[in-house]
Amino acid sequence: DSGVTQTPKHLITATGQRVTLRCSPRSGDLSVYWYQQSLDQGLQFLIQYYNGEERAKGNILERFSAQQFPDLHSELNLSSLELGDSALYFCASSVSSYAGELFFGEGSRLTVL
Amino acid sequence: AQSVTQPDIHITVSEGASLELRCNYSYGATPYLFWYVQSPGQGLQLLLKYFSGDTLVQGIKGFEAEFKRSQSSFNLRKPSVHWSDAAEYFCAVAPKTSYDKVIFGPGTSLSVIP
Repeated sequence: DSGVTQTPKHLITATGQRVTLRCSPRSGDLSVYWYQQSLDQGLQFLIQYYNGEERAKGNILERFSAQQFPDLHSELNLSSLELGDSALYFCASSVSSYAGELFFGEGSRLTVL
Repeated sequence: AQSVTQPDIHITVSEGASLELRCNYSYGATPYLFWYVQSPGQGLQLLLKYFSGDTLVQGIKGFEAEFKRSQSSFNLRKPSVHWSDAAEYFCAVAPKTSYDKVIFGPGTSLSVIP
């Protein structure tokens, strides 16, 4: 158990819909990272937050947004969903904003029909 | 361009046999290096990491990796594979100044024959 909690574990929705994925980092970790894992793209970095502030952006679509709340949990919002958004979305956390070890949650599997 | 290559998409070994998974990277300067393992239905777990110093690093579950600067490689090894090692293995690199550009390799899927 990494200590990182992601909900929901599975989500099935239709194209055009909007979903929210939630992540609770390990106790004491200030950084939260979101990754997308798909068969064709591999593991892609989406966005990082550190202590409530956006720290880095990767290959995140404009239809996607995220935030980190004062209690340090984070939410990833995916809107206007397309078939290609079907993937496994991972949240990871770490103590600092750089270096060190990433602790991954078990992921949220999104299926868009 | 920064990249991580894992030449072997899939490897099958017999239980008890030795294992070596290859990882090569292309980076401006020597980055931090990591190996992660992903078991089916699970998130990624760190096996080991190299920051500096001794180029042979030990990790969890009996794994080790050797950093070779001249070859830009960071190969993962295990002397005797167990059936429970069947999983997906990812090599990753990160710059020494920030974690926003962690780059993961495409992964190597390991199957273990009993």
